[in-house]
Amino acid sequence: EPEVTQTPSHQVTQMGQEVILRCVPISNHLYFYWYRQILGQKVEFLVSFYNNEISEKSEIFDDQFSVERPDGSNFTLKIRSTKLEDSAMYFCASSKGQLSGNTIYFGEGSWLTVV
Amino acid sequence: KNEVEQSPQNLTAQEGEFITINCSYSVGISALHWLQQHPGGGIVSLFMLSSGKKKHGRLIATINIQEKHSSLHITASHPRDSAVYICAVRLDNNNDMRFGAGTRLTVKP
Repeated sequence: EPEVTQTPSHQVTQMGQEVILRCVPISNHLYFYWYRQILGQKVEFLVSFYNNEISEKSEIFDDQFSVERPDGSNFTLKIRSTKLEDSAMYFCASSKGQLSGNTIYFGEGSWLTVV
Repeated sequence: KNEVEQSPQNLTAQEGEFITINCSYSVGISALHWLQQHPGGGIVSLFMLSSGKKKHGRLIATINIQEKHSSLHITASHPRDSAVYICAVRLDNNNDMRFGAGTRLTVKP
């Protein structure tokens, strides 16, 4: 069964460093998402991406975050200058169409630890 | 106030028991998703609902749009059903999703 893959599975970075989390969505999917889950808390929406542009973003997704689809397969989340509070599990997800009528598929997550 | 409330927070059951997890929401939605999060953290989609009822194996999900309420039922529960079950709603007219805090289910043999 096709799946969403994420790399790295775990990254430790120093505060202030830039981090890029990578995702390969399912190949025929058109909508892509990033979510995060701080340890012990609920999953939070960061951003959705469709047709090579951001379609929605949350208040969390401020100027330190950016997303890109640099080629036909990868979907990346960049955190420009990491803060301690960015430590979380980051989930990439994709769907064939909008979430009002389509199943969402999640990657296994990338654990980011900022020290 | 949380936009998506789940109950109970924690649930322990004996193998074979019928399980119900509830989700109430306070926002306008176009769909509701039930997700399963495994101990390792991975998330799997179980159901996407916009009305009525869906069944997949031992899992049943229902939604009442007027009452803004959904339930996830597990029949003949098994220890491998132990996981965190998360209710998430897609807001009207956009792909923003709001998540419940999850229900941690433990099924004992």
